[in-house]
Amino acid sequence: GAGVSQTPSNKVTEKGKYVELRCDPISGHTALYWYRQSLGQGPEFLIYFQGTGAADDSGLPNDRFFAVRPEGSVSTLKIQRTERGDSAVYLCASSSDRADTQYFGPGTRLTVL
Amino acid sequence: QKEVEQNSGPLSVPEGAIASLNCTYSDRVSQSFFWYRQYSGKSPELIMSIYSNGDKEDGRFTAQLNKASQYVSLLIRDSQPSDSATYLCAVNLPGNTPLVFGKGTRLSVIA
Repeated sequence: GAGVSQTPSNKVTEKGKYVELRCDPISGHTALYWYRQSLGQGPEFLIYFQGTGAADDSGLPNDRFFAVRPEGSVSTLKIQRTERGDSAVYLCASSSDRADTQYFGPGTRLTVL
Repeated sequence: QKEVEQNSGPLSVPEGAIASLNCTYSDRVSQSFFWYRQYSGKSPELIMSIYSNGDKEDGRFTAQLNKASQYVSLLIRDSQPSDSATYLCAVNLPGNTPLVFGKGTRLSVIA
């Protein structure tokens, strides 16, 4: 079946702009995770959804970052007033109720100029 | 604070040799352990998961877990140039919880 998909694959924006990154999880997966990966680092957790609700948002770096999953499937990560330090690859992963294995999407490479 | 430590490498091995990748973790209640492979410019791809002490084999890959020592390793037998990638160790707590990743070990298999 189809894996996790993310759009756009690349996003270039200017400092101070607003961006939205989209994740479409594997069908039937109730858990959805957002991670951020900087060059030479492992992915770092941002936020985790179980169904429609954010079960853990402790990884969001500040209040410029927000994510939603209104219907329990697709999720959108929103970043306000982007800063150059937000440049990274944003990864989405999903897992099912019955197993904790997380499967990653291809990522969105965000570049803030 | 939960931490996962890996040697960043690069680890260079000749083609056909065994590559040994190591990882330690700080949180004793960690329950699930994963190895992901990440090619340059690509997203992490799951290779192995292990939950119990001992060895788990899948093809050329063997994962080893020692919870008492808080240590997990990945052995790659008959290494191929196509195995050249960064290998990420990840752990999580019981249930659907966020993964904590190490920084990854870069493996280079020399033909």
